[in-house]
Amino acid sequence: GESVGLHLPTLSVQEGDNSIINCAYSNSASDYFIWYKQESGKGPQFIIDIRSNMDKRQGQRVTVLLNKTVKHLSLQIAATQPGDSAVYFCAAYTGRRALTFGSGTRLQVQP
Amino acid sequence: NAGVTQTPKFQVLKTGQSMTLQCAQDMNHNSMYWYRQDPGMGLRLIYYSASEGTTDKGEVPNGYNVSRLNKREFSLRLESAAPSQTSVYFCASSGGLAGGKETQYFGPGTRLLVL
Repeated sequence: GESVGLHLPTLSVQEGDNSIINCAYSNSASDYFIWYKQESGKGPQFIIDIRSNMDKRQGQRVTVLLNKTVKHLSLQIAATQPGDSAVYFCAAYTGRRALTFGSGTRLQVQP
Repeated sequence: NAGVTQTPKFQVLKTGQSMTLQCAQDMNHNSMYWYRQDPGMGLRLIYYSASEGTTDKGEVPNGYNVSRLNKREFSLRLESAAPSQTSVYFCASSGGLAGGKETQYFGPGTRLLVL
């Protein structure tokens, strides 16, 4: 089966610094990946996605990198702000509609 | 657009009681999903509905039933609640195109406590 995990349960950064959140997946057949942000008491919010035919995708202040060789992806947040404090999940499609979530990394932004 | 809405927001049940969690989406999406999230964990898929009139089991379907009432609404029923079903339940929807692999949009969740 698929497992999706993040390397660190908590990441603490200073406001204004760049943040990098990492994720590893196990199923080499996974071909679509999504990063979600979840604030306390709310549902997951879509941040950015990437398909396996790409290595990099950029959004507003966020970049996702995909390394299929080592089955690893990362989320980079530029100029991290207090509003970025949340739990971040990577999720991967394993089958037609089976979206497998990692356990999440809590990002804490220090003022 | 409200997106995905869920009711109720909170619920306390006694073991053995039944209840139905409601979910609706106004994005004209074909596919809808129910997940549960336990403390410190990611989301796990309970059931999904690829299109109106179809439902399929996910990773953790035991103890649950679902109904795809129409294109907009997808309900989750607990027939006899157990303490192990204490969790936060999220409903999600997606367009239903592109071979089923698409962004899923989530509701705000229902927090359920079973005593």
